[in-house]
Amino acid sequence: QVQLVQSGAEVKKPGSSVKVSCKASGGTFTSYAMHWVRQAPGQGLEWMGGIIPIFHTANYAQNFQGRVTITADESTSTAYMELSSLGSEDTAVYYCARAYTLVLANAFDIWGQGTMVTVSS
Amino acid sequence: AIQLTQSPSSLSASVGDRVSITCRASQGISSALAWYQQKPGKAPKLLIYHASSLESGVPSRFSGSGSGTDFTLTISSLQPEDFATYYCQQFNSYLLTFGGGTKVEIK
Repeated sequence: QVQLVQSGAEVKKPGSSVKVSCKASGGTFTSYAMHWVRQAPGQGLEWMGGIIPIFHTANYAQNFQGRVTITADESTSTAYMELSSLGSEDTAVYYCARAYTLVLANAFDIWGQGTMVTVSS
Repeated sequence: AIQLTQSPSSLSASVGDRVSITCRASQGISSALAWYQQKPGKAPKLLIYHASSLESGVPSRFSGSGSGTDFTLTISSLQPEDFATYYCQQFNSYLLTFGGGTKVEIK
């Protein structure tokens, strides 16, 4: 079955950037949009943005405009999320999630296991 | 962006109880709403999409209803494994948003 496997935990300094990967296996990577959602400790879910891999078309939440970049590599069935200018408020678990179809505006039927990013001096 | 308001933010219930959680959108979203269940330390799990369609493999005690601005997730008979946090999410707009969550605890 389809699985999304994310890269490992990261510890970053304030002001730096982090890049998290999400590798899909068991399905057709280019048939679905991919999204990123984060969850700060003890908080709710926050959508960050998504991408249609075959078109490399991405859209981002207003809260992250200019600070987040989502990309995809069809050759390795991997999506990436890079977040820059990190602050302590970016400490969170970051999830990738597969959209139900190729349409960006969608529900998410498969999720990665999550990647903990800690921002600390 | 469209805002989603869930209520209550938490509730206590017993095994076998019927539980309902509501999600209100700040503007009409047709039936473009999903519900997720999240347990501590785990990724969310899709339960319902398009407001009332049950995701494959999800027990039939879960149901969703509503359209426009008002939506409800109902668990007909709460089971021990249902104690978790539930989130709604809208996908009517390309700027996707989640509700704040409802934590279902054991009474």
